[in-house]
Amino acid sequence: ILNVEQSPQSLHVQEGDSTNFTCSFPSSNFYALHWYRWETAKSPEALFVMTLNGDEKKKGRISATLNTKEGYSYLYIKGSQPEDSATYLCASPGGSEKLVFGKGTKLTVNP
Amino acid sequence: DTEVTQTPKHLVMGMTNKKSLKCEQHMGHRAMYWYKQKAKKPPELMFVYSYEKLSINESVPSRFSPECPNSSLLNLHLHALQPEDSALYLCASSQDAGGFYNEQFFGPGTRLTVL
Repeated sequence: ILNVEQSPQSLHVQEGDSTNFTCSFPSSNFYALHWYRWETAKSPEALFVMTLNGDEKKKGRISATLNTKEGYSYLYIKGSQPEDSATYLCASPGGSEKLVFGKGTKLTVNP
Repeated sequence: DTEVTQTPKHLVMGMTNKKSLKCEQHMGHRAMYWYKQKAKKPPELMFVYSYEKLSINESVPSRFSPECPNSSLLNLHLHALQPEDSALYLCASSQDAGGFYNEQFFGPGTRLTVL
């Protein structure tokens, strides 16, 4: 059974701080790593889909890196804003069409 | 249109009721998914439809019955549910069923309460 772990479970930062959190996944039989942002009362929204070891993707102030050999991905947010407050989920395919999600990191950015 | 819509937003039902959840997308996606999400837990996959055919059933009890009438619509028929089935039910779609590489587009979910 594929196990996707995220840490920390929750995080409180001040506006303007940069922050990062971690997703760990089995390094064997790796296919892809997905990051989603889920704001309260909204739909989960895809941020990145990463497949290659060493890959780095960026969307505005948010970026992610991938290490498939050691089985982790980092999500970075530069200069956090209150609108970045959300739960950030990572997920990895457990085989065929199935995505297995981590429990998420809940980020709160205080003004 | 990059939106996945779900109706209703909220549903309260008794254990003897029959109800249906609906999901719709007009992005031309050929894979559609149902997830169940309980509080403080990650979304858990229930069903996957690929090209309108059921391709994955994650050992979901038969009181949940999925249906894909066409490539844009996905239903989840509910019958004789239990209180522990109360959860947020999320629908998602992706370009095709190659779940490795295709991002999934989620609806806002239906909050189901079973009394």
